[in-house]
Amino acid sequence: GNSVTQMEGPVTLSEEAFLTINCTYTATGYPSLFWYVQYPGEGLQLLLKATKADDKGSNKGFEATYRKETTSFHLEKGSVQVSDSAVYFCALTPINQAGTALIFGKGTTLSVSS
Amino acid sequence: DAGVIQSPRHEVTEMGQEVTLRCKPISGHNSLFWYRQTMMRGLELLIYFNNNVPIDDSGMPEDRFSAKMPNASFSTLKIQPSEPRDSAVYFCASSTPPGYEQYFGPGTRLTVT
Repeated sequence: GNSVTQMEGPVTLSEEAFLTINCTYTATGYPSLFWYVQYPGEGLQLLLKATKADDKGSNKGFEATYRKETTSFHLEKGSVQVSDSAVYFCALTPINQAGTALIFGKGTTLSVSS
Repeated sequence: DAGVIQSPRHEVTEMGQEVTLRCKPISGHNSLFWYRQTMMRGLELLIYFNNNVPIDDSGMPEDRFSAKMPNASFSTLKIQPSEPRDSAVYFCASSTPPGYEQYFGPGTRLTVT
């Protein structure tokens, strides 16, 4: 079956530190992969996505590369800010299945201090 | 362009009362999803619709929960009777091909006392 595994949180960093949040997946075929972010008191927002192997999704300084050989989609940012403090969710959807529900990881809480 | 709209944003009710949560998806989106989020269980998919038809309701906790989508621009999630363990944030999301990414509403925070 399809599943997503994220690193356990919370992740606590100082401002300007390098961020990596690990995400690995299990899926049949070639899924599309997503990172969502949830700020306190808000809904989930799409942060970035990748739809095929070796694609790199990027947005707001965050990047993630679709690695088929390691079935991974790790989220990285070179220099985090206090405003990046949020919960980050990795997710997948099986390709070519219109309207299929996303499969989410459990979320990783990031806390950045100044 | 308006995003997904949910109402109410906050709902406080007493155990045993009926609760109705409402969602308006993004115009043109043909898939709609209802999720529940709690600290203990994280984000759970309750049910989703494609073209107004329920596709998978296996996440609906029990018969007290029901969802409808009478047309492409409106959906409801009803809990009757409500119980304190139903207290959570309920999110609605919508999507459309080809990207399949889901766009979430701001959520309804439900508190059942």
